[in-house]
Amino acid sequence: NAGVTQTPKFQVLKTGQSMTLQCAQDMNHNSMYWYRQDPGMGLRLIYYSASEGTTDKGEVPNGYNVSRLNKREFSLRLESAAPSQTSVYFCASLGQRSSYEQYFGPGTRLTVT
Amino acid sequence: RKEVEQDPGPFNVPEGATVAFNCTYSNSASQSFFWYRQDCRKEPKLLMSVYSSGNEDGRFTAQLNRASQYISLLIRDSKLSDSATYLCVAMPGDSWGKLQFGAGTQVVVTP
Repeated sequence: NAGVTQTPKFQVLKTGQSMTLQCAQDMNHNSMYWYRQDPGMGLRLIYYSASEGTTDKGEVPNGYNVSRLNKREFSLRLESAAPSQTSVYFCASLGQRSSYEQYFGPGTRLTVT
Repeated sequence: RKEVEQDPGPFNVPEGATVAFNCTYSNSASQSFFWYRQDCRKEPKLLMSVYSSGNEDGRFTAQLNRASQYISLLIRDSKLSDSATYLCVAMPGDSWGKLQFGAGTQVVVTP
């Protein structure tokens, strides 16, 4: 099992460009999450999907959109990148309600110039 | 104010020593608590859950104090490999799966 995979690992964008961060999990988990991590801020939830077909805003959703394409895949889109979106982005998934362990992907390091 | 607050450190610890640090949480409705470990530029991974009665996993001991709304982590007999950032995490009872992360406490174990 690969667990949670993310692509790309690194990306540099110019202000105003758009891009989609891809995330996939092979653990048959229902819930998936997108976080951003900035120095001194901890991980902040951008969007989450409790199950296939549903998505909800997290703490910092502005400037982002998401798509839960199927149970495996949850993508994050930046329509018009801004320097404030320079960050490390982590995707995570969570399985049964009896377990609270979130499994994280390796992260995408995004720089917006 | 952040929901979960941690001392960023770094806590510099000689190999073999004991180190302990706390985090505080502001949401009294938080039901579940965890410690995650994050190595430099890597993804966070669950270290242990924190139970009301306190729990131990090898050299790691976690305690929860609901009255004062803080969680602690103690590491005994520190190893070089314990050098990492430790993230304190709370989950409100009405928001299953939506974890609230602290910014992390950095621990550096020195030879």
